[in-house]
Amino acid sequence: AQSVAQPEDQVNVAEGNPLTVKCTYSVSGNPYLFWYVQYPNRGLQFLLKYITGDNLVKGSYGFEAEFNKSQTSFHLKKPSALVSDSALYFCAVRDILTGANNLFFGTGTRLTVIP
Amino acid sequence: KAGVTQTPRYLIKTRGQQVTLSCSPISGHRSVSWYQQTPGQGLQFLFEYFSETQRNKGNFPGRFSGRQFSNSRSEMNVSTLELGDSALYLCASSSLNLNTEAFFGQGTRLTVV
Repeated sequence: AQSVAQPEDQVNVAEGNPLTVKCTYSVSGNPYLFWYVQYPNRGLQFLLKYITGDNLVKGSYGFEAEFNKSQTSFHLKKPSALVSDSALYFCAVRDILTGANNLFFGTGTRLTVIP
Repeated sequence: KAGVTQTPRYLIKTRGQQVTLSCSPISGHRSVSWYQQTPGQGLQFLFEYFSETQRNKGNFPGRFSGRQFSNSRSEMNVSTLELGDSALYLCASSSLNLNTEAFFGQGTRLTVV
């Protein structure tokens, strides 16, 4: 069975400091991993994905994520946080072994960047 | 290129009623998935449609149903509404290539009173 865990409901970071939002996953086959961000009363916006290749992937708005197969993790990072990064972040996995298009999501992490 | 369009944005319904939500995917995308988002349960997969056929289904009761039309537009229906059905319902549009990301609409906020 597929699952995604985001162990922190809330992450607070000072503006200008680096941020990390954690994600671990479980799938039966090779994972396709995604990060999405959600602003209040909005849908989900795609940030970045890992499909194959380089373990460090870069995405929108200066975000990046590191895929670690041995630790089954896909943590989201940004070198210098902005107040505008404050939002709800979701990690998701697609299990390509099933061939299904749907995503399994973590419960989300609320990021607050403090000015 | 237009994004994913969901209508209506907000709905208030009474227990026992039924509701229909609509989703128009990105042009050229033939896969449409529906998700329910609640504070307690997070994002839960409802079902996926492709070429007017349900391809995949999450763990929801039969009160939740959907369909897809030949132009790829999709609707979901919830019958005999319960208070617990209050949620943000999100539609996602995808190509068939599993490498690609899904694009989400802004959602329909359903409140059941």
